[in-house]
Amino acid sequence: QSVLTQPPSVSGAPGQRITISCTGSNSNIGAGYDVHWYQQFPGTAPKLLIYVNTNRPSGVPDRFSGSKSGTSASLAITGLRAEDEADYYCQSSDTRLSGFEVFGGGTKLTVL
Amino acid sequence: QVQLQESGPGLVMPSQTLSLTCTVSGGSITSGSYYWTWIRQPAGKGLEWIGRIYTSGSTNYNPSLKRRVTISVDTSKNQFSLKLTSVTAADSAVYYCARVIVTTWGYYFDYWGRGTLVTVSS
Repeated sequence: QSVLTQPPSVSGAPGQRITISCTGSNSNIGAGYDVHWYQQFPGTAPKLLIYVNTNRPSGVPDRFSGSKSGTSASLAITGLRAEDEADYYCQSSDTRLSGFEVFGGGTKLTVL
Repeated sequence: QVQLQESGPGLVMPSQTLSLTCTVSGGSITSGSYYWTWIRQPAGKGLEWIGRIYTSGSTNYNPSLKRRVTISVDTSKNQFSLKLTSVTAADSAVYYCARVIVTTWGYYFDYWGRGTLVTVSS
């Protein structure tokens, strides 16, 4: 049971726009903590995709965007491409017990 | 470009201690205000944060693992390490080390190692 809740799977056709939600609580996202997103392909390490809610590291296409509101955050991918098929994880911090890092359970994106 | 590389035994006996080391290259582990962290991922499952360390030696641990975890740093070798005691099959996972960026409101992980698979089995 992850502290942050993500849908297990989402799918979309090439060219479409999809969103992945990340729902937390008042002890993490709702407390003001930043949300970050990672992309992971099978057998490889996660890669930072979005940091501090809305920022893209150098080299990440602007098709990827992040947002945050209240106790939730979202990752949007526009112009979906076959190579976007991967697992996506959100991550934030939590105020309970001296603070620690928490992840969502991950969302498998399938490009139809 | 910072690179991280995990190393350590791939097989650990139940009830024993899992020990891993992360070697940082492409920069000094003490340069910048970075923390360094361990994260694990059981096969087919999601990511779990284990803990982090600052180069001063200050640490924070996941409360669910705190009793069994120790993270340490050796600045002379540009390395940091993980020890997890009393392991069971539930500790079998790919273990990642990563660099931590501190923000005004939290932390995130910008550089990751490739990960190392640790299996707990007799």
